[in-house]
Amino acid sequence: GQNIDQPTEMTATEGAIVQINCTYQTSGFNGLFWYQQHAGEAPTFLSYNVLDGLEEKGRFSSFLSRSKGYSYLLLKELQMKDSASYLCAVRDRWDSNYQLIWGAGTKLIIKP
Amino acid sequence: DAGVIQSPRHEVTEMGQEVTLRCKPISGHDYLFWYRQTMMRGLELLIYFNNNVPIDDSGMPEDRFSAKMPNASFSTLKIQPSEPRDSAVYFCASTTPSRGGHRELFFGEGSRLTVL
Repeated sequence: GQNIDQPTEMTATEGAIVQINCTYQTSGFNGLFWYQQHAGEAPTFLSYNVLDGLEEKGRFSSFLSRSKGYSYLLLKELQMKDSASYLCAVRDRWDSNYQLIWGAGTKLIIKP
Repeated sequence: DAGVIQSPRHEVTEMGQEVTLRCKPISGHDYLFWYRQTMMRGLELLIYFNNNVPIDDSGMPEDRFSAKMPNASFSTLKIQPSEPRDSAVYFCASTTPSRGGHRELFFGEGSRLTVL
């Protein structure tokens, strides 16, 4: 079956670093996405990985290992506004049947 | 640039009533998606369109749900009759190929539906 696992909730301190993990088991693989969703708002795109390795974008980085079915989102220099849910999603097929498999999301709580 | 526009933002209705949710995608986007989000089930894809044509509606819960896209700038999701278990936030999203080819989704603000 298709499955994505993420921790339900994490807590971190302002100014620190946090790593949110995502593991997936899907029938195919054509890219992994991370989205941020603040409470009561819409998800917004953070990052995309399709090849193994690290993609860095400012304070946020995303890593992918296709052989391990594993990704993580790394947030540095945490700010209070980073308190949100972080959703991992995998695209298992290409455009002929566009479909994302979504994780349940990780709620990140930032403490002063 | 205007993002994805959804209406209404909030809807409270009674069981058995018809509910119509509306969406205007970003101009030029060729894919439109309807998602439902609840605490219990997370984000669920209900249906998506490509160039106004429904491609996959396997996520539509049952015949009470229907969706249309009469033109490139408008889509509706209708629930008739509504039931309390339909209470959720319904998101519309659109996308088009990016330079990286990854097709990030642009979500609307969502329509929060409460069925009493």
